[in-house]
Order: sequence, then structure tokens, then C-alpha cells
Amino acid sequence: KNEVEQSPQNLTAQEGEFITINCSYSVGISALHWLQQHPGGGSVSLFMLSSGKKKHGRLIATINIQEKHSSLHITASHPRDSAVYICAVYGGSQGNLIFGKGTKLSVKP
Amino acid sequence: DAGVIQSPRHEVTEMGQEVTLRCKPISGHDYLFWYRQTMMRGLELLIYFNNNVPIDDSGMPEDRFSAKMPNASFSTLKIQPSEPRDSAVYFCASSLEGLYWLGTGELFFGEGSRLTVL
Repeated sequence: KNEVEQSPQNLTAQEGEFITINCSYSVGISALHWLQQHPGGGSVSLFMLSSGKKKHGRLIATINIQEKHSSLHITASHPRDSAVYICAVYGGSQGNLIFGKGTKLSVKP
Repeated sequence: DAGVIQSPRHEVTEMGQEVTLRCKPISGHDYLFWYRQTMMRGLELLIYFNNNVPIDDSGMPEDRFSAKMPNASFSTLKIQPSEPRDSAVYFCASSLEGLYWLGTGELFFGEGSRLTVL
């Protein structure tokens, strides 16, 4: 079993829909990271959080340390949000960065 | 700042050839990371440097892989000899703070080098 599990693996939405991507992890962590990766490979750091919630524009990230779960929400989705979203956690036995496999989001106009 | 710069963006080579991937981190960042991404395994950390010194290379798959950071503004990842199973996208990333131990630093990725070994 992977230490970081994301769901769903693939997600197709219509423009304007509210989107939720989930991340569950099985190791103790000090922080969790959400990354956005566009076709062509460029990755952008969206959020780093260790508790509570963070908001940036239409993006909201929450984390529940007790439940070892984080969610990334996109409100009023837009085709330019189409990307792969990757969850990564800091922690585990070696304190390294562990990545989920990613969620491929496609937002249709 | 131009961000993390990687080259080449794409490389196609034949099995047995030497491959060298290059990375220029963001100026002032003291951590540099090399990652490999495949469909099967996702993103994997290969090696990281702090102040040009390799700190953890436990992710380097085999002796065929080597990485150097001769100065603060340049790093290379070399595969010699290359094999078809090395085909992947290789990412370089840099960070300003003690990313792993403090969990407070942001990680900036380059656009990746897509390697195909025939």
C-alpha cells in the first residue's frame, strides 16, 4: 500500500463545477504540499500546510492531521485548471518527501 | 528570476549511450533536488544537495546514475550507460529553506527533461 493515496486518479468536470481532490497518508508528517503540474511538465507549488485551511483565489486546501487526510478544492472550475494535482507529505521514518501518484483533472468548457 | 532551468527539454538516445541532464537552480536557493517521474511510480526523489554537497543519494537507482553540483548555480545528472527503463521525465527542483526537516520551505520545479532511451 502506498504511503500517500490520492483520489480520484482521473476527474473530468464541466466548467463552473466545484471540484474536490483527496489525499490520504499513512505516515506521521510535519507538513503537506499540493503541487499543480501542467502538460509539458512544469510544476507549481500551490500550498504547503500543516494544519487547518489555506485559501488562494479559487483554490482551498484543508488538512486534518488526526484523520491523516487533506483535500484540495477548486471553486468555479475553469478549463485552465486542467492539470495533474499532486499531493506530497513531509515525514515518515526518514523525514523525506513522499509523493502521491497524482490526480489528472480535465475541465471541459 | 527565471525559475529553475533544465536542459535539454527532450532527449532521445540509444541504449548504451551516455546522457547528461543539466539544471540551474534559482539564485540563492541552497537546496537542489533531482526527481524522476514515471507513470508507474510517480515522482521519486533521486538525490538532493545542500550547499553543493550531496546529502542523500539513496534514491539513485544504480551505479549507472551519478549527480554532481560543482557550484551553487549548476548541477548535472548523468546516466552511463543508459537503458530503456531509464526513460522518464527528470525534474530538478530548488528550495531556499531546510525543506525536509522544517517542512516550511517551498519547492520550485523546473519544467523537466523528457528522456527516451531506445
